[in-house]
Amino acid sequence: DTGVSQNPRHKITKRGQNVTFRCDPISEHNRLYWYRQTLGQGPEFLTYFQNEAQLEKSRLLSDRFSAERPKGSFSTLEIQRTEQGDSAMYLCASSLSILSGSYNEQFFGPGTRLTVL
Amino acid sequence: AQTVTQSQPEMSVQEAETVTLSCTYDTSESNYYLFWYKQPPSRQMILVIRQEAYKQQNATENRFSVNFQKAAKSFSLKISDSQLGDTAMYFCAFVNAGGTSYGKLTFGQGTILTVHP
Repeated sequence: DTGVSQNPRHKITKRGQNVTFRCDPISEHNRLYWYRQTLGQGPEFLTYFQNEAQLEKSRLLSDRFSAERPKGSFSTLEIQRTEQGDSAMYLCASSLSILSGSYNEQFFGPGTRLTVL
Repeated sequence: AQTVTQSQPEMSVQEAETVTLSCTYDTSESNYYLFWYKQPPSRQMILVIRQEAYKQQNATENRFSVNFQKAAKSFSLKISDSQLGDTAMYFCAFVNAGGTSYGKLTFGQGTILTVHP
């Protein structure tokens, strides 16, 4: 399977614990995006990477959230001191680089569903 | 900032019938793309159809077509000959393609479509 993969698919944790999610993009894609989707809502942009560089972060990404893409391949999203409001589906997407004025399709992974008790 | 609004939380249709999902958006950008994504229950999001803002012709992909009204900032999706497999959450999405666009998608709230046999 050469699509975007995410692990784990489900994570249940207690409030205050730290969690880490992993995203493996399509191998030739140098852009990687993280989105958060709460129940019944559309995904909201969190952050994105061009190769290993994190180039934009949403205001939704509080100080408790950190994302990395150390070698420009897979990415991790860590949430420290989780809160119940962090419960959501965390989606990863990847694409080829975009030339200004054009657009390359983002391919989405299956997501990691986080439940904070 | 761009906004995308889907005013129909839920829609239903009989198998083989036609259904139209509505979407409006707001932007001051001139170069952008619009999309409809499908998210089946517990499955990953896939792209259904895309429309470049500079193209006057409405996009069509097999049973799926759009009605793009640029002046009205309206972008509806028509599904013809509905099939049971079309049952899913549908999201309208926008991306700015100009300037320093990073390719981040802005999604609407989603419309749950149920196709009945």
